[in-house]
Amino acid sequence: QVQLVQSGAEVKKPGASVKVSCKASGYTFTNYAIYWVRQAPGQRLEWMGWINAGNGDTKYSQKFQGRVTITRDTSASTAYMELSGLRSEDTAVYYCARGFPPDDAFDIWGQGTMVTVSS
Amino acid sequence: DIKMTQSPSSLSASVGDRVTITCRASQSINNYLNWYQQKPGKAPKLLIYAASTLQSGVPSRFSGSGSGTDFTLTISSLLPEDFATYSCQQSYSFPVTFGGGTKVEIK
Repeated sequence: QVQLVQSGAEVKKPGASVKVSCKASGYTFTNYAIYWVRQAPGQRLEWMGWINAGNGDTKYSQKFQGRVTITRDTSASTAYMELSGLRSEDTAVYYCARGFPPDDAFDIWGQGTMVTVSS
Repeated sequence: DIKMTQSPSSLSASVGDRVTITCRASQSINNYLNWYQQKPGKAPKLLIYAASTLQSGVPSRFSGSGSGTDFTLTISSLLPEDFATYSCQQSYSFPVTFGGGTKVEIK
């Protein structure tokens, strides 16, 4: 079945980086975009960035510009989100989601990866 | 950035009730509006896309309407599994933005 499976929970110290993976299966990876969204405790969903899995084009939220990098490995059908300069406010669940054309509604979601930033 | 405002932020309802949730965009987004359901500890689930199109597999008691800046999600007859948080999202322009969510609780 169509699914996105993310890597496991992470605990990081302030200033460190984290890299979360998102492995796609059940569909042609390069035909869809992958979005990254996070949700801090009790907060609304927040879009971080997007990658066109076909050509590798990316776009990032200005809020995370300079700190976030989204990449993909087409041979592994996997997208990655790396966030650097972690601070306590980055403690959140991070989700990847598939963009469903033509409007790119998020029709398939990963299970989420909890990232905790604590000294 | 386009701001998405949902109301109410929470509501209490009984099984069988008709429930309506509204979402307002700070500028016109045509019909680039999607609705999600989220249960505690789970990823969101797409219910409605393009303002009024039911996602495959979603029960017909869910419906969406609106265009421009004002949108609604309606649950025609609430079932126990519908108690959750509902969020709207605009996909009209980057950055993609979400509403603050509406928590539907059992009365």
